[in-house]
Amino acid sequence: EAGVVQSPRYKIIEKKQPVAFWCNPISGHNTLYWYRQNLGQGPELLIRYENEEAVDDSQLPKDRFSAERLKGVDSTLKIQPAELGDSAVYLCASSEGSGNTIYFGEGSWLTVV
Amino acid sequence: GQQLNQSPQSMFIQEGEDVSMNCTSSSIFNTWLWYKQDPGEGPVLLIALYKAGELTSNGRLTAQFGITRKDSFLNISASIPSDVGIYFCAGLSNSENTPLVFGKGTRLSVIA
Repeated sequence: EAGVVQSPRYKIIEKKQPVAFWCNPISGHNTLYWYRQNLGQGPELLIRYENEEAVDDSQLPKDRFSAERLKGVDSTLKIQPAELGDSAVYLCASSEGSGNTIYFGEGSWLTVV
Repeated sequence: GQQLNQSPQSMFIQEGEDVSMNCTSSSIFNTWLWYKQDPGEGPVLLIALYKAGELTSNGRLTAQFGITRKDSFLNISASIPSDVGIYFCAGLSNSENTPLVFGKGTRLSVIA
């Protein structure tokens, strides 16, 4: 069974440029998460989807970050414009439902220069 | 955001030694998870614990869900070089509005 798939794996952009990350969750998992992991820290939740509905986006910086999961499967996370402090690993994860074990993708490693 | 207290922050051990790390929280959790993250990769689930007092093993790894539901530990026996990485604990409550909370990780180095 395929795991959570993310792309791109690595991205280097100049500040003020836009960037987008894509995620395909494990088949059958209706809950999808985007986490951000700063260097030397554990992952922190940005947004959680139940099917196509964003049920928790309280930690998403809405001035520059946006996310969507239009058909309740794949999801994209966008940053526009990117700032130097956005350099981090953006992890997508999925689970069969909230409260169930969460499985992570390999992450999208962003460097903003 | 809220994080768990995970210790130690880092460990250097000799190959073959046993390792112990733990996580504590001021909040009660109903699920404890232990993940390992290798360089350049996402976290990979090692062990999931769902019941207070539960002791679960996965090969050389053993983890326990504390009776108070506010702590958990992970032991690795007879460490080998491929055990190198960062180990994260994570806690989950039953509330649908409470996200999975992570510790800051324990960085393990194994000296051959």
